[in-house]
Amino acid sequence: RKEVEQDPGPFNVPEGATVAFNCTYSNSASQSFFWYRQDCRKEPKLLMSVYSSGNEDGRFTAQLNRASQYISLLIRDSKLSDSATYLCVVSDNGSSNTGKLIFGQGTTLQVKP
Amino acid sequence: DTGVSQDPRHKITKRGQNVTFRCDPISEHNRLYWYRQTLGQGPEFLTYFQNEAQLEKSRLLSDRFSAERPKGSFSTLEIQRTEQGDSAMYLCASSLLGGTGNEQFFGPGTRLTVL
Repeated sequence: RKEVEQDPGPFNVPEGATVAFNCTYSNSASQSFFWYRQDCRKEPKLLMSVYSSGNEDGRFTAQLNRASQYISLLIRDSKLSDSATYLCVVSDNGSSNTGKLIFGQGTTLQVKP
Repeated sequence: DTGVSQDPRHKITKRGQNVTFRCDPISEHNRLYWYRQTLGQGPEFLTYFQNEAQLEKSRLLSDRFSAERPKGSFSTLEIQRTEQGDSAMYLCASSLLGGTGNEQFFGPGTRLTVL
């Protein structure tokens, strides 16, 4: 079983649609959670951190459910420029405290006109 | 540009050859990470440096792989006797210990193709 699991998609949605991505993680001791965005053949870039209280950044909302070990990302009013791969990421802050990131496979989003 | 830089951006080599990649992190960042990404997968952790000390290595890092960060600034990743399975994107990231939320900043990667 992978440490971080995501549905790879692709998700094909029209402009203006609302789309939700989900992710589960296996290490209950994980402390930090993120969504990264990766454009084709580019490096990953931090989209947003995810907190237990939930957090919103414009059209993007992230939620964390520690009891279910579940992370979500909601994109409202999707734009063509949102087309990318969205990576669910957990930081291993275990005994070594290296802060290494554990990535999911990524979910591909294609927004169509 | 004050971001993370990597060199070369692309490398094509024949099986059995040695290759070396370089990463220059953001200047004040004391944490440096190497990841590997294959097509259709998320990046996988390879190794971690805090300043010049290599504090963690993944089981993915076979004895053909070696990484250094001699002065706590730039880092090199060497692969000896390359195999076709080593073909991947090699990503370097840096962050600041104690920085906000451990945000890691990634370089553009080195794409390795082993023929």
